[in-house]
Amino acid sequence: AQKVTQAQTEISVVEKEDVTLDCVYETRDTTYYLFWYKQPPSGELVFLIRRNSFDEQNEISGRYSWNFQKSTSSFNFTITASQVVDSAVYFCALSVGYGNNRLAFGKGNQVVVIP
Amino acid sequence: DTEVTQTPKHLVMGMTNKKSLKCEQHMGHRAMYWYKQKAKKPPELMFVYSYEKLSINESVPSRFSPECPNSSLLNLHLHALQPEDSALYLCASSQARFSGNTIYFGEGSWLTVV
Repeated sequence: AQKVTQAQTEISVVEKEDVTLDCVYETRDTTYYLFWYKQPPSGELVFLIRRNSFDEQNEISGRYSWNFQKSTSSFNFTITASQVVDSAVYFCALSVGYGNNRLAFGKGNQVVVIP
Repeated sequence: DTEVTQTPKHLVMGMTNKKSLKCEQHMGHRAMYWYKQKAKKPPELMFVYSYEKLSINESVPSRFSPECPNSSLLNLHLHALQPEDSALYLCASSQARFSGNTIYFGEGSWLTVV
Protein backbone atom coordinates (compact mmCIF):
# COMPACT_ATOMS: atom_id res chain seq x y z
CA ALA A 1 0.00 0.00 0.00
CA GLN A 2 1.05 3.56 -0.60
CA LYS A 3 1.38 6.04 2.21
CA VAL A 4 2.44 9.66 2.56
CA THR A 5 3.33 11.20 5.89
CA GLN A 6 3.41 14.92 6.55
CA ALA A 7 4.22 15.10 10.21
CA GLN A 8 3.88 18.82 10.85
CA THR A 9 0.21 19.79 10.96
CA GLU A 10 0.44 23.55 11.45
CA ILE A 11 3.50 25.73 10.96
CA SER A 12 3.62 29.43 11.75
CA VAL A 13 6.39 31.64 10.46
CA VAL A 14 7.06 35.34 10.40
CA GLU A 15 7.12 36.90 6.96
CA LYS A 16 10.49 36.61 5.18
CA GLU A 17 11.48 33.52 7.13
CA ASP A 18 12.11 30.26 5.32
CA VAL A 19 9.86 27.28 5.93
CA THR A 20 10.49 23.62 5.06
CA LEU A 21 7.70 21.08 4.76
CA ASP A 22 8.63 17.44 5.20
CA CYS A 23 7.10 14.66 3.14
CA VAL A 24 7.97 11.00 3.67
CA TYR A 25 6.47 8.37 1.41
CA GLU A 26 6.16 4.59 1.41
CA THR A 27 5.75 2.36 -1.62
CA ARG A 28 7.11 -0.93 -2.90
CA ASP A 29 6.78 0.13 -6.51
CA THR A 30 9.93 1.19 -8.35
CA THR A 31 7.97 3.53 -10.61
CA TYR A 32 6.10 6.23 -8.81
CA TYR A 33 5.32 9.93 -8.98
CA LEU A 34 5.35 12.58 -6.31
CA PHE A 35 3.40 15.81 -6.27
CA TRP A 36 2.97 18.92 -4.20
CA TYR A 37 -0.25 20.93 -4.22
CA LYS A 38 -1.15 24.22 -2.56
CA GLN A 39 -4.67 24.84 -1.23
CA PRO A 40 -5.42 28.44 -0.26
CA PRO A 41 -8.57 29.24 1.75
CA SER A 42 -10.55 29.63 -1.48
CA GLY A 43 -10.42 25.85 -1.88
CA GLU A 44 -8.72 25.24 -5.20
CA LEU A 45 -5.89 22.71 -5.19
CA VAL A 46 -3.06 24.31 -7.14
CA PHE A 47 -0.49 22.00 -8.72
CA LEU A 48 3.09 22.97 -7.83
CA ILE A 49 5.39 20.18 -8.94
CA ARG A 50 5.55 16.62 -10.23
CA ARG A 51 8.61 14.38 -9.87
CA ASN A 52 9.04 10.78 -11.06
CA SER A 53 11.02 8.16 -9.21
CA PHE A 54 13.82 8.11 -11.79
CA ASP A 55 14.55 11.80 -11.57
CA GLU A 56 16.28 12.79 -8.35
CA GLN A 57 17.23 16.24 -9.47
CA ASN A 58 16.29 18.94 -7.05
CA GLU A 59 14.28 21.81 -8.43
CA ILE A 60 13.95 25.51 -7.81
CA SER A 61 11.10 27.66 -9.03
CA GLY A 62 11.28 31.21 -7.77
CA ARG A 63 11.02 31.11 -3.99
CA TYR A 64 10.04 27.42 -4.04
CA SER A 65 12.50 24.54 -3.99
CA TRP A 66 12.19 20.80 -3.67
CA ASN A 67 14.62 18.21 -2.35
CA PHE A 68 13.97 14.62 -3.49
CA GLN A 69 15.99 11.91 -1.73
CA LYS A 70 15.14 8.30 -2.59
CA SER A 71 17.56 7.04 0.08
CA THR A 72 15.32 8.49 2.78
CA SER A 73 12.04 8.32 0.82
CA SER A 74 11.56 12.02 1.25
CA PHE A 75 10.39 14.84 -1.00
CA ASN A 76 10.69 18.02 1.02
CA PHE A 77 9.49 21.46 0.04
CA THR A 78 11.04 24.78 1.05
CA ILE A 79 9.56 28.23 0.73
CA THR A 80 12.25 30.88 0.90
CA ALA A 81 11.51 34.37 2.20
CA SER A 82 7.89 33.52 2.94
CA GLN A 83 5.10 35.96 2.13
CA VAL A 84 1.56 36.29 3.46
CA VAL A 85 0.25 34.91 0.15
CA ASP A 86 2.02 31.64 0.97
CA SER A 87 -0.47 31.01 3.77
CA ALA A 88 -2.26 27.84 2.70
CA VAL A 89 -2.46 24.11 3.22
CA TYR A 90 0.20 22.21 1.30
CA PHE A 91 -0.35 18.58 0.34
CA CYS A 92 2.24 16.05 -0.72
CA ALA A 93 0.85 13.19 -2.81
CA LEU A 94 2.03 9.90 -4.33
CA SER A 95 0.86 7.97 -7.39
CA VAL A 96 2.31 4.58 -8.33
CA GLY A 97 2.78 2.16 -11.19
CA TYR A 98 1.06 2.33 -14.52
CA GLY A 99 -2.48 1.75 -13.39
CA ASN A 100 -5.26 4.05 -12.42
CA ASN A 101 -4.27 7.51 -11.29
CA ARG A 102 -5.03 7.35 -7.59
CA LEU A 103 -3.32 10.01 -5.55
CA ALA A 104 -2.40 9.06 -2.01
CA PHE A 105 -2.37 12.36 -0.14
CA GLY A 106 -0.61 13.23 3.06
CA LYS A 107 -2.63 14.96 5.75
CA GLY A 108 -1.35 18.36 4.68
CA ASN A 109 0.66 21.15 6.29
CA GLN A 110 -1.19 24.31 7.31
CA VAL A 111 1.28 27.16 6.80
CA VAL A 112 0.48 30.48 8.44
CA VAL A 113 2.70 33.41 7.50
CA ILE A 114 2.50 36.23 10.02
CA PRO A 115 3.09 39.71 8.66
CA ASP B 1 -6.41 30.85 -13.37
CA THR B 2 -7.63 27.29 -13.20
CA GLU B 3 -8.62 25.62 -16.45
CA VAL B 4 -11.10 23.40 -14.66
CA THR B 5 -14.22 25.36 -13.87
CA GLN B 6 -16.88 24.29 -11.42
CA THR B 7 -20.38 25.58 -10.76
CA PRO B 8 -21.90 26.52 -8.47
CA LYS B 9 -19.22 27.79 -6.13
CA HIS B 10 -21.58 27.43 -3.14
CA LEU B 11 -24.70 25.30 -2.76
CA VAL B 12 -27.08 24.90 0.14
CA MET B 13 -29.65 22.13 -0.22
CA GLY B 14 -32.22 20.35 1.89
CA MET B 15 -32.16 16.63 2.43
CA THR B 16 -35.05 16.09 0.02
CA ASN B 17 -33.68 18.26 -2.78
CA LYS B 18 -32.16 17.22 -6.07
CA LYS B 19 -29.27 19.30 -7.32
CA SER B 20 -26.26 18.97 -9.58
CA LEU B 21 -22.66 20.08 -9.53
CA LYS B 22 -21.08 20.86 -12.88
CA CYS B 23 -17.52 20.78 -14.10
CA GLU B 24 -15.91 21.72 -17.38
CA GLN B 25 -12.38 21.53 -18.75
CA HIS B 26 -10.96 22.63 -22.09
CA MET B 27 -7.50 21.13 -21.87
CA GLY B 28 -8.37 18.14 -24.04
CA HIS B 29 -7.99 15.82 -21.08
CA ARG B 30 -9.60 12.40 -21.30
CA ALA B 31 -9.78 11.59 -17.59
CA MET B 32 -11.99 13.44 -15.14
CA TYR B 33 -12.43 13.01 -11.41
CA TRP B 34 -14.65 13.87 -8.48
CA TYR B 35 -13.09 14.25 -5.06
CA LYS B 36 -14.71 15.00 -1.72
CA GLN B 37 -12.89 16.97 0.95
CA LYS B 38 -13.98 17.43 4.55
CA ALA B 39 -12.58 20.21 6.70
CA LYS B 40 -8.94 19.77 7.70
CA LYS B 41 -8.67 16.51 5.74
CA PRO B 42 -7.05 15.63 2.42
CA PRO B 43 -9.25 15.06 -0.65
CA GLU B 44 -10.79 11.63 -1.08
CA LEU B 45 -11.39 10.11 -4.50
CA MET B 46 -15.02 9.40 -5.39
CA PHE B 47 -15.17 8.68 -9.13
CA VAL B 48 -12.92 8.51 -12.16
CA TYR B 49 -14.06 8.75 -15.77
CA SER B 50 -11.79 7.73 -18.59
CA TYR B 51 -12.80 8.46 -22.17
CA GLU B 52 -16.30 9.24 -20.90
CA LYS B 53 -16.69 5.87 -19.22
CA LEU B 54 -16.79 5.32 -15.47
CA SER B 55 -13.61 3.48 -14.53
CA ILE B 56 -13.53 3.90 -10.74
CA ASN B 57 -16.31 4.20 -8.19
CA GLU B 58 -14.85 4.23 -4.70
CA SER B 59 -17.95 2.64 -3.14
CA VAL B 60 -19.75 5.95 -3.11
CA PRO B 61 -23.39 5.89 -1.89
CA SER B 62 -25.96 5.93 -4.67
CA ARG B 63 -27.28 9.31 -3.56
CA PHE B 64 -24.27 10.61 -5.53
CA SER B 65 -24.65 9.94 -9.24
CA PRO B 66 -21.93 10.98 -11.69
CA GLU B 67 -22.42 11.67 -15.35
CA CYS B 68 -19.98 12.45 -18.15
CA PRO B 69 -21.95 13.83 -21.13
CA ASN B 70 -18.81 14.41 -23.19
CA SER B 71 -15.07 14.61 -22.81
CA SER B 72 -15.20 18.18 -21.50
CA LEU B 73 -18.06 17.94 -19.04
CA LEU B 74 -18.59 16.14 -15.77
CA ASN B 75 -21.65 16.35 -13.55
CA LEU B 76 -22.41 15.10 -10.08
CA HIS B 77 -26.10 14.62 -9.39
CA LEU B 78 -27.12 14.87 -5.76
CA HIS B 79 -30.29 13.44 -4.26
CA ALA B 80 -31.47 12.78 -0.70
CA LEU B 81 -28.16 13.83 0.82
CA GLN B 82 -27.38 13.78 4.52
CA PRO B 83 -25.86 16.60 6.60
CA GLU B 84 -22.62 14.61 6.82
CA ASP B 85 -22.29 14.97 3.05
CA SER B 86 -21.55 18.65 3.56
CA ALA B 87 -18.05 19.17 2.17
CA LEU B 88 -15.96 20.71 -0.58
CA TYR B 89 -16.41 18.80 -3.85
CA LEU B 90 -13.49 19.06 -6.19
CA CYS B 91 -13.54 18.25 -9.88
CA ALA B 92 -10.27 17.46 -11.60
CA SER B 93 -8.88 16.30 -14.91
CA SER B 94 -5.73 14.76 -16.34
CA GLN B 95 -4.48 13.89 -19.79
CA ALA B 96 -5.26 10.23 -19.17
CA ARG B 97 -6.10 8.12 -16.16
CA PHE B 98 -2.64 6.63 -15.74
CA SER B 99 -0.51 7.39 -12.74
CA GLY B 100 2.06 10.03 -13.41
CA ASN B 101 -0.33 12.23 -15.34
CA THR B 102 -0.69 15.45 -13.41
CA ILE B 103 -4.17 15.96 -12.03
CA TYR B 104 -5.44 19.53 -12.27
CA PHE B 105 -8.16 20.61 -9.89
CA GLY B 106 -10.94 23.14 -10.07
CA GLU B 107 -11.85 25.66 -7.41
CA GLY B 108 -14.40 23.34 -5.87
CA SER B 109 -18.06 23.55 -4.93
CA TRP B 110 -18.83 24.13 -1.27
CA LEU B 111 -21.89 22.03 -0.42
CA THR B 112 -23.97 22.44 2.72
CA VAL B 113 -26.80 20.01 3.41
CA VAL B 114 -29.40 21.25 5.87
